[in-house]
Amino acid sequence: NAGVMQNPRHLVRRRGQEARLRCSPMKGHSHVYWYRQLPEEGLKFMVYLQKENIIDESGMPKERFSAEFPKEGPSILRIQQVVRGDSAAYFCASSPPGQGDYGYTFGSGTRLTVV
Amino acid sequence: AQSVTQLDSQVPVFEEAPVELRCNYSSSVSVYLFWYVQYPNQGLQLLLKYLSGSTLVKGINGFEAEFNKSQTSFHLRKPSVHISDTAEYFCAVSVLGTSGSRLTFGEGTQLTVNP
Repeated sequence: NAGVMQNPRHLVRRRGQEARLRCSPMKGHSHVYWYRQLPEEGLKFMVYLQKENIIDESGMPKERFSAEFPKEGPSILRIQQVVRGDSAAYFCASSPPGQGDYGYTFGSGTRLTVV
Repeated sequence: AQSVTQLDSQVPVFEEAPVELRCNYSSSVSVYLFWYVQYPNQGLQLLLKYLSGSTLVKGINGFEAEFNKSQTSFHLRKPSVHISDTAEYFCAVSVLGTSGSRLTFGEGTQLTVNP
């Protein structure tokens, strides 16, 4: 039973380019969460999604960031027109329906570097 | 809103010594409590969690934590550490019954075990 799969593990983008981060949840998990870890900081919640539905995006920056979790395929976190301040580790986690309160399973993260 | 404070950003110890990593939380409602470990360039792994019941919780790798409601603390302990325990440790809370299932993390404690 594979864990939460994130790709790519490392992503380098020039300022102004787009970054697309992918997350495949564990089998049987239909809830996905995205967190961002800035250097020397803890993880900060960004968004919580179910299939085809955004439940809570209160942690997402208002501009340039979007997330989706389509009926088929992985969840995507999209960052348009990246800036140096977007450099961070982005972690995805998943849980079964109704089990998020009990803790999730995290992926290994995507480390985004903006040059 | 809830918050988590990890009182020590760095904890150096010698191998086979005991260690305690401190965590205090603030919340006006009941919470679930978690400790996660992050090894370099990896994702977060759940060490242990408190949901209800006994206030002493045992986790993986010989770690345990005690929930103290009156002091709003959830300190992590290990009686004898190994070099391989060197990692970043994060305390986190989730609020019971919220639809968001959002985890609020502390800033992390870097545990360094020296020979």
